Amino acid sequence: GQQLNQSPQSMFIQEGEDVSMNCTSSSIFNTWLWYKQDPGEGPVLLIALYKAGELTSNGRLTAQFGITRKDSFLNISASIPSDVGIYFCAGHSQGGSEKLVFGKGMKLTVNP
Amino acid sequence: ETGVTQTPRHLVMGMTNKKSLKCEQHLGHNAMYWYKQSAKKPLELMFVYSLEERVENNSVPSRFSPECPNSSHLFLHLHTLQPEDSALYLCASSQFWGGVGYTFGSGTRLTVV
Repeated sequence: GQQLNQSPQSMFIQEGEDVSMNCTSSSIFNTWLWYKQDPGEGPVLLIALYKAGELTSNGRLTAQFGITRKDSFLNISASIPSDVGIYFCAGHSQGGSEKLVFGKGMKLTVNP
Repeated sequence: ETGVTQTPRHLVMGMTNKKSLKCEQHLGHNAMYWYKQSAKKPLELMFVYSLEERVENNSVPSRFSPECPNSSHLFLHLHTLQPEDSALYLCASSQFWGGVGYTFGSGTRLTVV
């Protein structure tokens, strides 16, 4: 089945630093999504990407849909303590299974 | 208010118990999902309901039994579970099956003893 490789699996950074994470797949996706899960909560959608090459920002977050449609990355600039959580990528391909495929997540720790 | 409410938030049950998880959404969505989240594993899709009909069952053991009485409510009935079933169970909804804008609930943390 379709799988997403998300890296890194975890990061420990200092407040104020930037962080990057990415997701790759052996399959083509038509939509890439990035979710954040706070401790004890469900995932919340951060950014959705619908077009190859698309670069989208949401505050300090920037995400890009790879040209090959097989990858995506998420950047967080000037991290703050509330950025702590698990970040998931997810891909969706139309015409096949209707479900989202999720990465394993990247656990971010921000030291004040 | 996330739009998707799950109860209970925490549940501890014995292997011989029967319990149910509840999910409720008031977003007007037509598709609802159950996911299992275990440590260091991707989110595992368990069941999908579209317009109250089950459209996907991802080889989930029969000790998990879903029920969708209407488009706003989704249940997961549990019986004779195993310790390895301990996990966070997440409910989600989307406007339609195949839509990508999933809204997740906060989950039920289940511990089987």
